[in-house]
Amino acid sequence: GNSVTQMEGPVTLSEEAFLTINCTYTATGYPSLFWYVQYPGEGLQLLLKATKADDKGSNKGFEATYRKETTSFHLEKGSVQVSDSAVYFCALSAYNFNKFYFGSGTKLNVKP
Amino acid sequence: EAQVTQNPRYLITVTGKKLTVTCSQNMNHEYMSWYRQDPGLGLRQIYYSMNVEVTDKGDVPEGYKVSRKEKRNFPLILESPSPNQTSLYFCASSPGASPYNEQFFGPGTRLTVL
Repeated sequence: GNSVTQMEGPVTLSEEAFLTINCTYTATGYPSLFWYVQYPGEGLQLLLKATKADDKGSNKGFEATYRKETTSFHLEKGSVQVSDSAVYFCALSAYNFNKFYFGSGTKLNVKP
Repeated sequence: EAQVTQNPRYLITVTGKKLTVTCSQNMNHEYMSWYRQDPGLGLRQIYYSMNVEVTDKGDVPEGYKVSRKEKRNFPLILESPSPNQTSLYFCASSPGASPYNEQFFGPGTRLTVL
């Protein structure tokens, strides 16, 4: 079946620290992969996506590379800011793109 | 403004009292979906709809019903709510079922069933 596993949080970092949030998946066929971000009290927003192996998605300084050989899609940012504090969700869409599967979410706290 | 709206935003009800959570989008999207978010479990898909009159089950459809009579609306119906349906619910829409299409999420509905 399809599933997404994320590292458990919360992750607490100081401003300007390097961020990695691990995400691995199991899937049938060739899924697309996504990172969504949820700020307090809001719905989810797409952060970045990758639709095939070796694609790198990037946005707002965040990056993630679709690694088929390790079934991973780790989120990275070189220098986090307080405004990056949020919950981050890794997700995949099934091969027929009708269904979506989300990880459990990782809360990031960035301290000044 | 392009958006997905949900009503109500907060709801406290009692076991067995039928309720409907409405979802509406103004982007002419074909695909719509409902999720529930629970601590430690992330988002789980309840139902989705590919277009008007086309709906299908997600991973956790038990206890829920949906309908898609108009393209813009996708209500979630709980015929007989139970306490285990206490959760944060999100509606989402997308132009279509394609890997290139992001989902746009509503602000969420926090439901408490006593």
